[in-house]
Amino acid sequence: KAGVTQTPRYLIKTRGQQVTLSCSPISGHRSVSWYQQTPGQGLQFLFEYFSETQRNKGNFPGRFSGRQFSNSRSEMNVSTLELGDSALYLCASRYPGPPGNEQFFGPGTRLTVL
Amino acid sequence: GESVGLHLPTLSVQEGDNSIINCAYSNSASDYFIWYKQESGKGPQFIIDIRSNMDKRQGQRVTVLLNKTVKHLSLQIAATQPGDSAVYFCAENNNAGNMLTFGGGTRLMVKP
Repeated sequence: KAGVTQTPRYLIKTRGQQVTLSCSPISGHRSVSWYQQTPGQGLQFLFEYFSETQRNKGNFPGRFSGRQFSNSRSEMNVSTLELGDSALYLCASRYPGPPGNEQFFGPGTRLTVL
Repeated sequence: GESVGLHLPTLSVQEGDNSIINCAYSNSASDYFIWYKQESGKGPQFIIDIRSNMDKRQGQRVTVLLNKTVKHLSLQIAATQPGDSAVYFCAENNNAGNMLTFGGGTRLMVKP
């Protein structure tokens, strides 16, 4: 079974631009969560989508948004990029169920903002 | 590969020794805890989990201990191998959704 895939793997943007990252969950997984990983702040939860609806949201500004499609694939968008948005963006998927079903992470997209 | 932390606490062990990685969690309402391993260039990989109604759970070469009184979690790795070298994160889940709150991570270095 294929794992979680994220595209692109690496991205370089300049301040003020916007970016869209894509995540394809494991087949059959309907929950997709996004995390930001930086050396200073560690791993921080961005948002979670389930059945095309945002179910949870972390403490990030409105420049960070996401969506999920009917095939469970998800995208996240960051508008008006800032230098501090440089990070590894991780996507995780899980099979529907109570906490206790492990989340499977993708390899991440490394975003560099210049 | 991607840097997951410039100033992570580091645990250095000899190959074959046992490793113990500790984590303090923040929310007494958390009811599910997970340990993840992250190697350079990869996303976090699930190692083992434990629910709050347990205080110990064992897997293959790994054991997780939970002390709810002091909000402490530990990961024990038996007979540590070079392939265990990575950054290890604990995570807690404290709501009905899937939001995980991660600890800062510990870098494990295994000396051959």
